[in-house]
Amino acid sequence: DAKTTQPTSMDCAEGRAANLPCNHSTISGNEYVYWYRQIHSQGPQYIIHGLKNNETNEMASLIITEDRKSSTLILPHATLRDTAVYYCILSAGANNLFFGTGTRLTVIP
Amino acid sequence: SAVISQKPSRDICQRGTSLTIQCQVDSQVTMMFWYRQQPGQSLTLIATANQGSEATYESGFVIDKFPISRPNLTFSTLTVSNMSPEDSSIYLCSVEDTSYEQYFGPGTRLTVT
Repeated sequence: DAKTTQPTSMDCAEGRAANLPCNHSTISGNEYVYWYRQIHSQGPQYIIHGLKNNETNEMASLIITEDRKSSTLILPHATLRDTAVYYCILSAGANNLFFGTGTRLTVIP
Repeated sequence: SAVISQKPSRDICQRGTSLTIQCQVDSQVTMMFWYRQQPGQSLTLIATANQGSEATYESGFVIDKFPISRPNLTFSTLTVSNMSPEDSSIYLCSVEDTSYEQYFGPGTRLTVT
C-alpha cells in the first residue's frame, strides 16, 4: 500500500518554481523520502532523497518538515523538459521502492 | 550513476510463448531489480535479483512465470513465460548504487497478441 499522498496533477509556468507536495504521516524513523520522476516513454529517473534535513542537488531541493510527516520537492526554474510524473516514495533503502500514482506535472510555456 | 541497457527495447509476441529480457549495467552492482509497468499504471516490483542467490519475488509474482537469472554483477535476465495478453506491459530493470540511489533502464515494451 502507498504510504504517501500526492496530488494527482499540477501545472506550472515555465521558468517558475514548481513545488510538489507529498504527505507521509506514517513515516518510520528509518525511512528516507525519495523522489523519482518518469518522463513519457522513459524509465524512472532518480531526483533526490533525504532523511530529515533539507537536501539540494543540481536538479532540485527537498524540504522535509520537522515532524517528517510531509515534504516538498522544489524544481527552482521549471522547463518544458520537466513535464513528467513525479513519485514521492518512502524507503529504508533504495532496494524497496513502492511507486504510488505520483503527481503529473505539466510545465506550461 | 550507472548506465543500464535493455534488450529488446520492444517486442510483439504470441500468447503461449516466452520472451527473455536482458539487462546490462556498465558497472558491478550487488542488487538488481525487475519492475512491471502496465499500461497507464505505476511501477510494480516483480523481484530482487542478487548475484549468487535466488531471486526474491514480491507477492503476486512467481518464479515459474517470471524466472530470473543473475550470472554476474553486471547482467540479469527476466523471462516472461507462457505469455497472455495480460502480460502486455513495460518491463524495467534497475540497480542500486552505493549511494542508495536506484537507476532504471529504458524499459522493454512487450505486447502479447
